[in-house]
Amino acid sequence: AQTVTQSQPEMSVQEAETVTLSCTYDTSESDYYLFWYKQPPSRQMILVIRQEAYKQQNATENRFSVNFQKAAKSFSLKISDSQLGDAAMYFCAYEHAGTYKYIFGTGTRLKVLA
Amino acid sequence: KAGVTQTPRYLIKTRGQQVTLSCSPISGHRSVSWYQQTPGQGLQFLFEYFSETQRNKGNFPGRFSGRQFSNSRSEMNVSTLELGDSALYLCASSSGTSGASGTDTQYFGPGTRLTVL
Repeated sequence: AQTVTQSQPEMSVQEAETVTLSCTYDTSESDYYLFWYKQPPSRQMILVIRQEAYKQQNATENRFSVNFQKAAKSFSLKISDSQLGDAAMYFCAYEHAGTYKYIFGTGTRLKVLA
Repeated sequence: KAGVTQTPRYLIKTRGQQVTLSCSPISGHRSVSWYQQTPGQGLQFLFEYFSETQRNKGNFPGRFSGRQFSNSRSEMNVSTLELGDSALYLCASSSGTSGASGTDTQYFGPGTRLTVL
């Protein structure tokens, strides 16, 4: 069975600094996608970034980038120039391609300190 | 484009009752997935519908059911409510067609907060 592990329940970062959130996963599949979602206190889940397993290049979206280590089954999220609005729960998710069944980690609560 | 909408946003029921939650996907999206979010179990997949057919389901009892209409709107029903069904129920939509990059990406609605007393 596929699993997703986020080992950091809570992280803090100073405004304008960089923070990295960790995620590891376990799967025997070769075709899959990985995602990071953000859930602010308003509770609407927002897609931050996605990564296709077949792509070696790490995905980036503005201040957000990932470090995808396929052999190690690691998928960390780096947030650069942290802003107060980045404060939220961050969930890592895995999908065996084509199943539309996401498996989520337990989340990391990110606090941004002014 | 309008995002995923869910109604109602909040619901209070008592044990033994049944409840129906509604989800309208992003225009053009044909896949709708449902998730239950609780502090203890986190986010868990309930089921996914595409073109009125359930394609995948999670490990939930038969009290949890769903359906999808021809306009891609979806409903989920929980019968004989239990206290443990109190949760945030999230709906997500995606294009649903495999192959092209990005089509698996799910976009979430604001959720329905169900409280069972």
